[in-house]
Amino acid sequence: DAGITQSPRHKVTETGTPVTLRCHQTENHRYMYWYRQDPGHGLRLIHYSYGVKDTDKGEVSDGYSVSRSKTEDFLLTLESATSSQTSVYFCAISDLTGGYGYTFGSGTRLTVV
Amino acid sequence: GENVEQHPSTLSVQEGDSAVIKCTYSDSASNYFPWYKQELGKRPQLIIDIRSNVGEKKDQRIAVTLNKTAKHFSLHITETQPEDSAVYFCAASLSGNTPLVFGKGTRLSVIA
Repeated sequence: DAGITQSPRHKVTETGTPVTLRCHQTENHRYMYWYRQDPGHGLRLIHYSYGVKDTDKGEVSDGYSVSRSKTEDFLLTLESATSSQTSVYFCAISDLTGGYGYTFGSGTRLTVV
Repeated sequence: GENVEQHPSTLSVQEGDSAVIKCTYSDSASNYFPWYKQELGKRPQLIIDIRSNVGEKKDQRIAVTLNKTAKHFSLHITETQPEDSAVYFCAASLSGNTPLVFGKGTRLSVIA
Protein backbone atom coordinates (compact mmCIF):
# COMPACT_ATOMS: atom_id res chain seq x y z
CA ASP A 1 0.00 0.00 0.00
CA ALA A 2 1.16 3.57 0.67
CA GLY A 3 3.71 2.58 3.35
CA ILE A 4 1.88 4.44 6.07
CA THR A 5 -0.73 3.07 8.44
CA GLN A 6 -2.79 4.65 11.17
CA SER A 7 -4.38 2.94 14.14
CA PRO A 8 -7.04 2.72 15.23
CA ARG A 9 -9.24 3.54 12.23
CA HIS A 10 -12.19 4.41 14.41
CA LYS A 11 -12.47 5.21 18.10
CA VAL A 12 -15.18 6.42 20.42
CA THR A 13 -14.02 7.72 23.77
CA GLU A 14 -15.44 9.59 26.71
CA THR A 15 -14.72 13.17 27.63
CA GLY A 16 -11.75 13.48 29.95
CA THR A 17 -10.04 10.24 28.99
CA PRO A 18 -6.57 10.12 27.40
CA VAL A 19 -6.34 8.85 23.83
CA THR A 20 -3.31 7.91 21.73
CA LEU A 21 -3.34 7.60 17.97
CA ARG A 22 -0.52 5.86 16.18
CA CYS A 23 1.07 6.50 12.82
CA HIS A 24 3.49 3.94 11.45
CA GLN A 25 5.55 4.24 8.27
CA THR A 26 7.77 1.82 6.40
CA GLU A 27 9.27 4.42 4.03
CA ASN A 28 12.02 5.68 6.35
CA HIS A 29 10.87 9.24 5.68
CA ARG A 30 12.25 11.94 7.91
CA TYR A 31 9.16 14.13 8.20
CA MET A 32 5.88 13.12 9.80
CA TYR A 33 2.79 15.24 10.42
CA TRP A 34 -0.52 15.12 12.22
CA TYR A 35 -3.45 17.05 10.75
CA ARG A 36 -7.07 17.18 11.75
CA GLN A 37 -9.86 17.54 9.23
CA ASP A 38 -13.12 19.24 10.09
CA PRO A 39 -15.94 20.41 7.81
CA GLY A 40 -15.35 23.98 6.71
CA HIS A 41 -11.80 24.03 8.05
CA GLY A 42 -9.89 21.84 5.66
CA LEU A 43 -6.73 20.24 7.02
CA ARG A 44 -5.09 21.93 9.97
CA LEU A 45 -1.66 21.06 11.32
CA ILE A 46 -1.49 19.82 14.91
CA HIS A 47 2.17 18.82 15.33
CA TYR A 48 4.95 17.63 13.12
CA SER A 49 8.29 15.90 13.43
CA TYR A 50 11.50 16.42 11.49
CA GLY A 51 13.42 13.57 13.07
CA VAL A 52 13.56 11.24 16.05
CA LYS A 53 12.75 13.24 19.17
CA ASP A 54 12.46 16.43 17.08
CA THR A 55 8.94 17.83 17.04
CA ASP A 56 7.24 21.18 16.73
CA LYS A 57 3.79 22.66 17.17
CA GLY A 58 1.33 23.48 14.47
CA GLU A 59 -1.64 25.78 14.17
CA VAL A 60 -3.98 23.81 16.49
CA SER A 61 -1.67 22.14 19.02
CA ASP A 62 -3.50 22.99 22.26
CA GLY A 63 -4.65 19.84 24.05
CA TYR A 64 -2.36 17.57 22.00
CA SER A 65 1.11 16.16 22.52
CA VAL A 66 3.29 14.00 20.30
CA SER A 67 6.24 11.69 20.57
CA ARG A 68 8.62 10.17 18.08
CA SER A 69 11.05 7.71 19.67
CA LYS A 70 11.90 5.99 16.39
CA THR A 71 11.78 6.93 12.73
CA GLU A 72 8.81 4.78 11.87
CA ASP A 73 6.37 5.78 14.62
CA PHE A 74 4.72 9.10 15.42
CA LEU A 75 2.20 9.11 18.25
CA LEU A 76 -0.47 11.72 18.88
CA THR A 77 -1.90 11.93 22.40
CA LEU A 78 -4.99 13.76 23.54
CA GLU A 79 -4.22 14.23 27.21
CA SER A 80 -7.86 14.69 28.25
CA ALA A 81 -10.24 14.36 25.34
CA THR A 82 -12.91 17.02 24.78
CA SER A 83 -15.87 17.06 22.41
CA SER A 84 -14.12 19.74 20.31
CA GLN A 85 -11.50 17.14 19.47
CA THR A 86 -14.04 14.99 17.65
CA SER A 87 -12.53 14.93 14.18
CA VAL A 88 -10.81 12.90 11.52
CA TYR A 89 -7.09 12.75 12.14
CA PHE A 90 -4.66 12.24 9.29
CA CYS A 91 -1.00 11.39 9.54
CA ALA A 92 1.28 12.25 6.62
CA ILE A 93 4.89 11.59 5.71
CA SER A 94 7.29 13.32 3.38
CA ASP A 95 10.90 13.15 2.33
CA LEU A 96 12.84 15.85 0.56
CA THR A 97 14.69 13.41 -1.63
CA GLY A 98 11.36 12.36 -3.11
CA GLY A 99 10.04 15.85 -3.55
CA TYR A 100 7.92 17.74 -1.14
CA GLY A 101 4.65 15.90 -1.62
CA TYR A 102 2.92 14.24 1.28
CA THR A 103 1.64 10.70 1.50
CA PHE A 104 -1.33 10.52 3.83
CA GLY A 105 -2.49 7.67 6.00
CA SER A 106 -6.07 6.44 5.83
CA GLY A 107 -7.15 8.54 8.78
CA THR A 108 -8.58 7.91 12.24
CA ARG A 109 -12.15 8.94 12.95
CA LEU A 110 -12.31 9.95 16.62
CA THR A 111 -15.55 10.67 18.41
CA VAL A 112 -15.50 12.11 21.91
CA VAL A 113 -18.81 11.69 23.76
CA GLY B 1 2.58 32.60 9.03
CA GLU B 2 1.28 31.46 5.69
CA ASN B 3 -2.46 31.75 4.97
CA VAL B 4 -4.11 30.03 2.00
CA GLU B 5 -7.55 31.02 0.75
CA GLN B 6 -9.42 28.74 -1.66
CA HIS B 7 -12.46 29.48 -3.86
CA PRO B 8 -15.09 28.40 -4.53
CA SER B 9 -16.06 26.14 -1.64
CA THR B 10 -18.43 24.18 -3.90
CA LEU B 11 -18.49 23.82 -7.66
CA SER B 12 -20.89 21.96 -9.92
CA VAL B 13 -20.15 21.40 -13.59
CA GLN B 14 -21.67 19.37 -16.38
CA GLU B 15 -19.71 16.37 -17.55
CA GLY B 16 -17.31 17.40 -20.29
CA ASP B 17 -17.06 21.01 -19.11
CA SER B 18 -13.97 22.54 -17.50
CA ALA B 19 -13.55 23.30 -13.80
CA VAL B 20 -11.28 25.92 -12.27
CA ILE B 21 -10.37 26.23 -8.59
CA LYS B 22 -8.40 29.21 -7.35
CA CYS B 23 -6.14 29.74 -4.35
CA THR B 24 -4.28 32.73 -2.98
CA TYR B 25 -1.41 32.68 -0.52
CA SER B 26 -0.01 35.34 1.76
CA ASP B 27 3.72 34.65 2.09
CA SER B 28 5.66 35.69 -0.98
CA ALA B 29 8.49 33.36 0.09
CA SER B 30 6.34 30.26 -0.44
CA ASN B 31 7.71 28.19 -3.27
CA TYR B 32 5.85 24.90 -3.40
CA PHE B 33 2.16 24.53 -4.32
CA PRO B 34 0.55 21.08 -4.44
CA TRP B 35 -3.02 20.04 -5.10
CA TYR B 36 -4.71 17.10 -3.41
CA LYS B 37 -7.85 15.20 -4.30
CA GLN B 38 -9.90 13.52 -1.61
CA GLU B 39 -12.68 11.15 -2.55
CA LEU B 40 -15.43 10.49 -0.05
CA GLY B 41 -14.12 8.54 2.93
CA LYS B 42 -10.62 8.31 1.51
CA ARG B 43 -7.25 9.88 2.19
CA PRO B 44 -6.09 13.02 0.32
CA GLN B 45 -3.88 12.15 -2.62
CA LEU B 46 -1.44 14.35 -4.47
CA ILE B 47 -2.56 14.96 -8.04
CA ILE B 48 -0.22 17.70 -9.24
CA ASP B 49 2.23 20.20 -7.84
CA ILE B 50 4.19 23.21 -9.01
CA ARG B 51 7.25 25.04 -7.80
CA SER B 52 7.77 28.77 -7.92
CA ASN B 53 10.27 28.64 -10.75
CA VAL B 54 7.56 27.31 -13.09
CA GLY B 55 4.49 29.17 -14.34
CA GLU B 56 2.42 26.25 -15.55
CA LYS B 57 2.40 22.48 -15.35
CA LYS B 58 0.13 20.03 -17.11
CA ASP B 59 -0.66 16.35 -16.65
CA GLN B 60 -3.24 15.02 -19.07
CA ARG B 61 -6.55 16.68 -18.17
CA ILE B 62 -5.29 18.64 -15.21
CA ALA B 63 -3.08 21.71 -15.14
CA VAL B 64 -1.88 24.14 -12.54
CA THR B 65 -0.91 27.76 -13.14
CA LEU B 66 1.03 30.01 -10.81
CA ASN B 67 1.16 33.80 -10.71
CA LYS B 68 3.87 34.73 -8.22
CA THR B 69 3.31 38.46 -8.58
CA ALA B 70 -0.34 38.18 -7.64
CA LYS B 71 0.33 35.29 -5.21
CA HIS B 72 -2.30 33.01 -6.63
CA PHE B 73 -2.42 29.62 -8.27
CA SER B 74 -5.20 27.69 -9.93
CA LEU B 75 -6.18 24.13 -10.78
CA HIS B 76 -7.75 23.52 -14.17
CA ILE B 77 -9.56 20.30 -15.00
CA THR B 78 -10.68 19.87 -18.59
CA GLU B 79 -13.23 17.44 -20.01
CA THR B 80 -14.54 16.64 -16.55
CA GLN B 81 -15.81 13.15 -15.79
CA PRO B 82 -17.99 11.85 -12.94
CA GLU B 83 -14.91 10.31 -11.30
CA ASP B 84 -13.48 13.81 -10.92
CA SER B 85 -16.14 14.44 -8.26
CA ALA B 86 -14.26 14.90 -4.99
CA VAL B 87 -12.94 17.53 -2.59
CA TYR B 88 -9.83 19.31 -3.85
CA PHE B 89 -7.34 21.02 -1.56
CA CYS B 90 -4.63 23.46 -2.50
CA ALA B 91 -1.63 24.01 -0.25
CA ALA B 92 1.52 26.07 0.04
CA SER B 93 4.83 25.84 1.85
CA LEU B 94 8.05 27.77 2.13
CA SER B 95 10.29 24.80 1.53
CA GLY B 96 10.41 21.06 1.75
CA ASN B 97 10.97 21.08 5.47
CA THR B 98 8.17 23.53 6.22
CA PRO B 99 4.74 21.97 6.76
CA LEU B 100 2.07 22.51 4.16
CA VAL B 101 -0.68 25.02 4.87
CA PHE B 102 -3.92 23.91 3.24
CA GLY B 103 -6.88 25.79 1.84
CA LYS B 104 -10.31 24.85 3.16
CA GLY B 105 -11.15 22.75 0.13
CA THR B 106 -13.51 22.80 -2.86
CA ARG B 107 -16.20 20.19 -3.30
CA LEU B 108 -16.45 19.49 -7.03
CA SER B 109 -19.52 17.73 -8.37
CA VAL B 110 -19.53 16.59 -11.99
CA ILE B 111 -23.07 16.06 -13.20
CA ALA B 112 -23.55 13.38 -15.84
